[in-house]
Amino acid sequence: AQKVTQAQTEISVVEKEDVTLDCVYETRDTTYYLFWYKQPPSGELVFLIRRNSFDEQNEISGRYSWNFQKSTSSFNFTITASQVVDSAVYFCALSPPSNFGNEKLTFGTGTRLTIIP
Amino acid sequence: DAGVIQSPRHEVTEMGQEVTLRCKPISGHDYLFWYRQTMMRGLELLIYFNNNVPIDDSGMPEDRFSAKMPNASFSTLKIQPSEPRDSAVYFCASSQDRGHLIFTGELFFGEGSRLTVL
Repeated sequence: AQKVTQAQTEISVVEKEDVTLDCVYETRDTTYYLFWYKQPPSGELVFLIRRNSFDEQNEISGRYSWNFQKSTSSFNFTITASQVVDSAVYFCALSPPSNFGNEKLTFGTGTRLTIIP
Repeated sequence: DAGVIQSPRHEVTEMGQEVTLRCKPISGHDYLFWYRQTMMRGLELLIYFNNNVPIDDSGMPEDRFSAKMPNASFSTLKIQPSEPRDSAVYFCASSQDRGHLIFTGELFFGEGSRLTVL
């Protein structure tokens, strides 16, 4: 069975601070994919990143960065110099190998991030 | 391009009534997913389709729930009869495979249909 744990239910930081959202996963698959999605107040989830289990390189995209550590089964997400527009619920997700018939994402419970102006 | 379009955005109904939620996926997308979001259970996959064919409906809670995809541009999720515990936000999402049925996991979500069953 697959499981994604986001232990931080809610985080509040003052604008311009850095913030890290934690994600720990469990899977028996040797290959898998990890994702982060953002759910702004408007409601729809927005894809941010996909990572496959072969690639442990960290990734940076503007103010966003992701730290994938297979040894600790973690896929953490850091926002640097946070902005009010970053306020949202962030979901980490996991999927098995993308063989046909196996296209399922298991989502964590989400972390509500509030950026205080 | 228009995104995934869901209707209605909000639905309030009484227990026992039939509810039909609708979804128009992004044109050209091969996959369509129905998710349900509640505070208690988070995001749950109910069912998904590939090329209009249901692939996995193991997440459908019970026989009161049914989903159809009569063509590539339309899907419905029906609850009959509805119960208060069905109150949730129902999301439709679509995705495009990259050939050879490779699923990218990049889902495009609609804004959701908020259902309240009294």
